[in-house]
Amino acid sequence: KAGVTQTPRYLIKTRGQQVTLSCSPISGHRSVSWYQQTPGQGLQFLFEYFSETQRNKGNFPGRFSGRQFSNSRSEMNVSTLELGDSALYLCASSRYGQGRIADTQYFGPGTRLTVL
Amino acid sequence: QKEVEQNSGPLSVPEGAIASLNCTYSDRGSQSFFWYRQYSGKSPELIMFIYSNGDKEDGRFTAQLNKASQYVSLLIRDSQPSDSATYLCAVTGMNRDDKIIFGKGTRLHILP
Repeated sequence: KAGVTQTPRYLIKTRGQQVTLSCSPISGHRSVSWYQQTPGQGLQFLFEYFSETQRNKGNFPGRFSGRQFSNSRSEMNVSTLELGDSALYLCASSRYGQGRIADTQYFGPGTRLTVL
Repeated sequence: QKEVEQNSGPLSVPEGAIASLNCTYSDRGSQSFFWYRQYSGKSPELIMFIYSNGDKEDGRFTAQLNKASQYVSLLIRDSQPSDSATYLCAVTGMNRDDKIIFGKGTRLHILP
């Protein structure tokens, strides 16, 4: 069974640009969650999509947005990039979504974003 | 503000010994608890989850949950150098609005 895939794996952008990251979940998984990981802040939740609807959102500015398609693939967009957006962006998929007991998230390899 | 706390480490353990990793959480309504391992430069991978009080064993790993004291721990028996990694504790509730919250992780170093 194929795991979670993310593209691209590495990205270099400059301040003010925008970026779109893609995530394909494990087959049969309907929930996709996005996280930002930095050395100082650890793993921080961005948002969760389930069946094309955003179910949960973390405390990030509106520059961070996402969507999910009917095949459960998800994209995350960051507009007007700032230096502080440099991070590892991880997506995780699960079958039933957050809040279901023992629903397990499986992570993709991540996209390393560097903002210059 | 729901929080998950872990000692950042590094925790140094001799090869072959038992490594003990601890995690405390603030939300008494938490229901599911996960341990992830993350190697440097890699994404987190699930080790195990637990949702009932007591112990749950899987190979060399044992998760222990004490809801009354609001802590969950992970024991690694017969520690190997390949166990050297950062271990993330994650906690979530049972409602649709509940978000999974990760601790910042404990760095474990197994000494050969």
